[in-house]
Amino acid sequence: EPEVTQTPSHQVTQMGQEVILRCVPISNHLYFYWYRQILGQKVEFLVSFYNNEISEKSEIFDDQFSVERPDGSNFTLKIRSTKLEDSAMYFCASSLGQGQETQYFGPGTRLLVL
Amino acid sequence: GDSVTQMEGPVTLSEEAFLTINCTYTATGYPSLFWYVQYPGEGLQLLLKATKADDKGSNKGFEATYRKETTSFHLEKGSVQVSDSAVYFCALSDFRAAGNKLTFGGGTRVLVKP
Repeated sequence: EPEVTQTPSHQVTQMGQEVILRCVPISNHLYFYWYRQILGQKVEFLVSFYNNEISEKSEIFDDQFSVERPDGSNFTLKIRSTKLEDSAMYFCASSLGQGQETQYFGPGTRLLVL
Repeated sequence: GDSVTQMEGPVTLSEEAFLTINCTYTATGYPSLFWYVQYPGEGLQLLLKATKADDKGSNKGFEATYRKETTSFHLEKGSVQVSDSAVYFCALSDFRAAGNKLTFGGGTRVLVKP
């Protein structure tokens, strides 16, 4: 069964450093998403992406964040200058369509900012 | 904005016990409702969904009915197994809104003891 994959599974970085989280969505999916979950808190929406454009972004997704689909398979989330409060589990998801289509999630990348 | 509230855990049960996890929502539009499950060390997996009022979603012995009058989508299973130990997330998506984001509840950890 096709699945969403994410790399790395864990990343530790120093405050102020740039990180890139990578995702490979399911191959025929057209809509892509990033969510995050700070330890002990809710899963929060960050951004959705379709047709090489951001469809929607949350208040969390400020100028420090960017997303890109650099080729036909990868979908990346970049944090330009990490802060302590960026420490969280980051989930990538993809869906075939929008509306009532199911979003399929990857296993997550645990980011720790020191 | 849209929100989802679900009962806090952890919920500890014995094998073959009946499980209910309450979920209520607030939405201005026409949401679809979802239950996702997260097994230890894994990502979020769709468990079931319902896209309109009075729909019942079901999978793996779990059921939930979309109740518009009570704005609820409670998850039930008649006889749980140890393998059902996981964190369960209720979520909604308003398919009429751009971006198709999922709004999650806080998650309920379920522990089933043999």
